[in-house]
Amino acid sequence: GAVVSQHPSRVICKSGTSVKIECRSLDFQATTMFWYRQFPKQSLMLMATSNEGSKATYEQGVEKDKFLINHASLTLSTLTVTSAHPEDSSFYICSASKGYGKTEAFFGQGTRLTVV
Amino acid sequence: GQSLEQPSEVTAVEGAIVQINCTYQTSGFYGLSWYQQHDGGAPTFLSYNALDGLEETGRFSSFLSRSDSYGYLLLQELQMKDSASYFCAVIEYGGATNKLIFGTGTLLAVQP
Repeated sequence: GAVVSQHPSRVICKSGTSVKIECRSLDFQATTMFWYRQFPKQSLMLMATSNEGSKATYEQGVEKDKFLINHASLTLSTLTVTSAHPEDSSFYICSASKGYGKTEAFFGQGTRLTVV
Repeated sequence: GQSLEQPSEVTAVEGAIVQINCTYQTSGFYGLSWYQQHDGGAPTFLSYNALDGLEETGRFSSFLSRSDSYGYLLLQELQMKDSASYFCAVIEYGGATNKLIFGTGTLLAVQP
């Protein structure tokens, strides 16, 4: 198998502040990681594809200045929610695969963000 | 655009067989996967189909018909622990990398 660790699991922040979420592949190198957002009882919505050493690729409708993604190494990607507002409250999940063409994705535990 | 449609809810009893359908419309189709997600948890991989036909993995089987843009997940000998959300997901060509796009999800409730 493969392990993807996401931290923190839960965070509560005040409106206007920024929150950073980390996603690490513990036992494999991930040149690509994916960030998803999930509202209660809904599906996972792909936000962006994080590429090691280059800019992230954002899905249509996702604000790149709002959700900053950095993929500094082959095992770490971070998502920063900037100037958070209550509507940003959601479950954020990262995933990674072992390489291009690999069909199984491994997911982090997710981060429950609550903005008050 | 992309769309993957699933029934929103399915209810079944322990020991029964249940089928969860998925119809998709997407570009650059590579394959169809199925994931299980318990409430508040991370999705876990169940199966993958790249070619037409049935793939069996223990109590779970998955089927794909590329010509019909249709697949299903079959769960046999249902257990209470199978109560969860199930998502089909299309692996889609995304240029330099493949992307995993999730379906609308099906909430399965297994009753005693």
